[in-house]
Amino acid sequence: TQLLEQSPQFLSIQEGENLTVYCNSSSVFSSLQWYRQEPGEGPVLLVTVVTGGEVKKLKRLTFQFGDARKDSSLHITAAQPGDTGLYLCAGYTGGFKTIFGAGTRLFVKA
Amino acid sequence: ETGVTQTPRHLVMGMTNKKSLKCEQHLGHNAMYWYKQSAKKPLELMFVYSLEERVENNSVPSRFSPECPNSSHLFLHLHTLQPEDSALYLCASSHTRDYEQYFGPGTRLTVT
Repeated sequence: TQLLEQSPQFLSIQEGENLTVYCNSSSVFSSLQWYRQEPGEGPVLLVTVVTGGEVKKLKRLTFQFGDARKDSSLHITAAQPGDTGLYLCAGYTGGFKTIFGAGTRLFVKA
Repeated sequence: ETGVTQTPRHLVMGMTNKKSLKCEQHLGHNAMYWYKQSAKKPLELMFVYSLEERVENNSVPSRFSPECPNSSHLFLHLHTLQPEDSALYLCASSHTRDYEQYFGPGTRLTVT
């Protein structure tokens, strides 16, 4: 069974702090997506990383795909209350198969 | 705004009821998905339709019955559900075999 493990499961920080969320697997993925889900809504796609070692930036968010394409990280600089939500990583294995992590619930206090 | 809509947003049903969830996508995609999201668990893929044909059925109990009349619409028919079926049911769409999926807001289902 392919698994994606996310850590930490829950994170509560003050506005302005930095944080990193990790997504790890023993499986190799063709690509990896990060989503953010707010309460009462569906996940919204933030970014896709495809190449091993790839780094993508989205404003204060930095995403990295591991060299072996088995893991990824999301770093947020100077977190803001608007960053609060559930962050999901998802590994694409081909065809119609995407494996989701259980998510990291982030709460940023003003 | 995702271009994928789901109705109803909330549903409470008894174990003997029959109800249906509806999903509609306005993105020109030709693959549609049903997922189940339970607290603290990864999204569970239930069904996938590509070009209106079911291509994935991940051992889902027969009390869940999907229907895809065209590439823009997807239904999930529910009957004789169990309390453990209470969850957020998410619909998603994508281009065929594309890893980027776009999700609807979900239907929060409570089975009493």
